[in-house]
Amino acid sequence: AQSVSQHNHHVILSEAASLELGCNYSYGGTVNLFWYVQYPGQHLQLLLKYFSGDPLVKGIKGFEAEFIKSKFSFNLRKPSVQWSDTAEYFCAVSRAMEYGNKLVFGAGTILRVKS
Amino acid sequence: NAGVTQTPKFQVLKTGQSMTLQCAQDMNHEYMSWYRQDPGMGLRLIHYSVGAGITDQGEVPNGYNVSRSTTEDFPLRLLSAAPSQTSVYFCASSYGGDGYTFGSGTRLTVV
Repeated sequence: AQSVSQHNHHVILSEAASLELGCNYSYGGTVNLFWYVQYPGQHLQLLLKYFSGDPLVKGIKGFEAEFIKSKFSFNLRKPSVQWSDTAEYFCAVSRAMEYGNKLVFGAGTILRVKS
Repeated sequence: NAGVTQTPKFQVLKTGQSMTLQCAQDMNHEYMSWYRQDPGMGLRLIHYSVGAGITDQGEVPNGYNVSRSTTEDFPLRLLSAAPSQTSVYFCASSYGGDGYTFGSGTRLTVV
């Protein structure tokens, strides 16, 4: 079965520190990749997505992610975090052209940014 | 556009009760899904639909039913609530292979 692994469950950073959240998936075929963010008490919002093309994708709020096919990875980065980035971050994967367009989520990484 | 609308936002049920969580989208999306979110487990797929009249089971379907009589609506029914179904439930919709748009969630407690 396809699975998605997020390396850290909790990350604590000071403001202005750089962020990198790891995500690996197990499926070997063509995939679509997503990062979602969930601010406290809110629903999931799409940060960025990768379908094909340039493996470095830029999303909202200064986030970016790099797809490395050989490593089955899609790590999320931000050069300088802000207190308002405190949230839970989810990596998700779907198989391209799969019936049902099903998303498989990682367990999530809770980011706390200290002001 | 309202996007994906879920009701109710909060619900407390007694063990054995049944209820329906409502979900509606106004974006004419063909794909709709129900997920449950539990701490440390991410979101797990309960049921999904690829269009009106077509539904299928996801990863954790037991204890839940769905139907999709229209493109817009995708209700989730709990047949006989159990404490293990205490969770936050999210409905989501998508067009083609694009990313999903999520509703604001229903926090369900079964006592």
